[in-house]
Amino acid sequence: AQTVTQSQPEMSVQEAETVTLSCTYDTSESNYYLFWYKQPPSRQMILVIRQEAYKQQNATENRFSVNFQKAAKSFSLKISDSQLGDTAMYFCAFCPSNTGKLIFGQGTTLQVKP
Amino acid sequence: EAGVTQFPSHSVIEKGQTVTLRCDPISGHDNLYWYRRVMGKEIKFLLHFVKESKQDESGMPNNRFLAERTGGTYSTLKVQPAELEDSGVYFCASSQVKVRTTEAFFGQGTRLTVV
Repeated sequence: AQTVTQSQPEMSVQEAETVTLSCTYDTSESNYYLFWYKQPPSRQMILVIRQEAYKQQNATENRFSVNFQKAAKSFSLKISDSQLGDTAMYFCAFCPSNTGKLIFGQGTTLQVKP
Repeated sequence: EAGVTQFPSHSVIEKGQTVTLRCDPISGHDNLYWYRRVMGKEIKFLLHFVKESKQDESGMPNNRFLAERTGGTYSTLKVQPAELEDSGVYFCASSQVKVRTTEAFFGQGTRLTVV
């Protein structure tokens, strides 16, 4: 079965510091897609960053970057220069290549403290 | 441009009653997905529409759940009769093409409480 595991239910970070959220997944596929979604309090989920498994280069989006380790099936999210607006629940998700569905992890609640 | 809209935002019903959730996707998005998150657990896939056709309904928990997407526009998810374990947040998402190659846009969710 394809699964996604986020082992950190809650994390906190001081404003302007860097934090890394962990995600591991399990699949026998060689080509797939990985995502990090963010859900701020009382708002809808939005895409933070995506990574295609066949690309070796780690994706970056401004202050957000990933460390994609395909052999280890690890996909961590690094947030640099954390801002108060980064406070949210973060979900790691996996998309098998032959489907249109997302398989989510349990989520990590991130609190950015002033 | 309007985002994905879900109605109602909250619903409290008694066990045995019927509830219908609605999702209005972004205009032009052929792909529509339903997910739910139960009691703080992971978000789980329910089903995927391409236009009005069910592409994948492997996540539907049982036959008390019925999803429709008439005309390939908005979608409804009906739970009949509702059970206590159906409580959770139901999310809808839409995308232009399959989500692996593009961004899926999510609605705010419908929080369903069955008492």
